[in-house]
Amino acid sequence: GENVEQHPSTLSVQEGDSAVIKCTYSDSASNYFPWYKQELGKRPQLIIDIRSNVGEKKDQRIAVTLNKTAKHFSLHITETQPEDSAVYFCAASKGSSGSARQLTFGSGTQLTVLP
Amino acid sequence: GAVVSQHPSRVICKSGTSVKIECRSLDFQATTMFWYRQFPKQSLMLMATSNEGSKATYEQGVEKDKFLINHASLTLSTLTVTSAHPEDSSFYICSARQKDRAGGNTIYFGEGSWLTVV
Repeated sequence: GENVEQHPSTLSVQEGDSAVIKCTYSDSASNYFPWYKQELGKRPQLIIDIRSNVGEKKDQRIAVTLNKTAKHFSLHITETQPEDSAVYFCAASKGSSGSARQLTFGSGTQLTVLP
Repeated sequence: GAVVSQHPSRVICKSGTSVKIECRSLDFQATTMFWYRQFPKQSLMLMATSNEGSKATYEQGVEKDKFLINHASLTLSTLTVTSAHPEDSSFYICSARQKDRAGGNTIYFGEGSWLTVV
């Protein structure tokens, strides 16, 4: 099955700096890669996703890049703010657009933005 | 985005008893729902895939007789933890798949349920 590895496990940055979280996946058939933000005891919130037919996607301060050849994808957060502090999970899944999205999650990154 | 509601948000039960957790898609039909378990400071681990009108598909190592899943309608899936033990204490989260107009699909999560077995 799919295996997703995520690094780093913890990341501290100064407010205003950028944060980068990286994930690798094992199944070359995976074609959908979402990123979730989870605050303690709450549901994961989808913040951005990318499909395998594109290499980069951006939404304001958040961007995701995908390298299918190397089987890795990264989350980039620019101009970080204290409210960005949370645990971030990457995930991967495969299947056609009509199939279920069985997600395999990375281990998570605790991001702390220091004021 | 779409709304997935999970109930109860917190439950405490005695060891040996059973507890049921509900997952509802409020504004869309979900033929497939997923159940995850998350221990403190760990990732979400898929327990099973719940399919409307058929048996759930369990991940390796998850006891199907202990974690009963019923997906009786297009908007409701339930997870029943039977004969609960303290080691079953965890954060249980469901998710539901919504098909979008373009033919793709997006996953939405419920709020999660904290289960404490005493």
